[in-house]
Amino acid sequence: KAGVTQTPRYLIKTRGQQVTLSCSPISGHRSVSWYQQTPGQGLQFLFEYFSETQRNKGNFPGRFSGRQFSNSRSEMNVSTLELGDSALYLCASSQGAGDTQYFGPGTRLTVL
Amino acid sequence: GESVGLHLPTLSVQEGDNSIINCAYSNSASDYFIWYKQESGKGPQFIIDIRSNMDKRQGQRVTVLLNKTVKHLSLQIAATQPGDSAVYFCAENRGNAGNMLTFGGGTRLMVKP
Repeated sequence: KAGVTQTPRYLIKTRGQQVTLSCSPISGHRSVSWYQQTPGQGLQFLFEYFSETQRNKGNFPGRFSGRQFSNSRSEMNVSTLELGDSALYLCASSQGAGDTQYFGPGTRLTVL
Repeated sequence: GESVGLHLPTLSVQEGDNSIINCAYSNSASDYFIWYKQESGKGPQFIIDIRSNMDKRQGQRVTVLLNKTVKHLSLQIAATQPGDSAVYFCAENRGNAGNMLTFGGGTRLMVKP
């Protein structure tokens, strides 16, 4: 089976812009979770989608949003980018609740 | 890993020795715990997991121990190899009905040849 894929792998944006990141889960996995990884805060949970519905949400501002499509692919969007949004954004997929989450390689976002 | 912290705890071991990486968790309600390995430029890679109804689980060269009394988790790697060099994270699942991992700060394992 192919693993979790994320596109793009690298992205450079400027402050105030918006960005959309994409994640394709492992075939058959219906849960997709997003995490932000920074040197200062480590790995932090953003949100989880299951069957096109947001099931859990972390403590991030409303500028961070996401969605899931009927084929379980997911996108996350960050609007009005700030310098502090520079991070590695990781997507993980699992079959269902409480199952092992498998991570993709991440999208490295740099905000200038 | 991907720059996971300037002050990341580091464990340095000799090749062939056993490694023990420790982790404390905070939520008594967490019922699922996972160890991940992250190499530079890659996403976290699943190593081993354990549920709260167990106190020990073994995999290939790895063992996870769970002590619910003191909320402590450890990862033991037998016969550590240079390829084991990476950052290791413990994570707990707190999702009421889903997947919402809370990660520890990570430990950098360096294996000396």
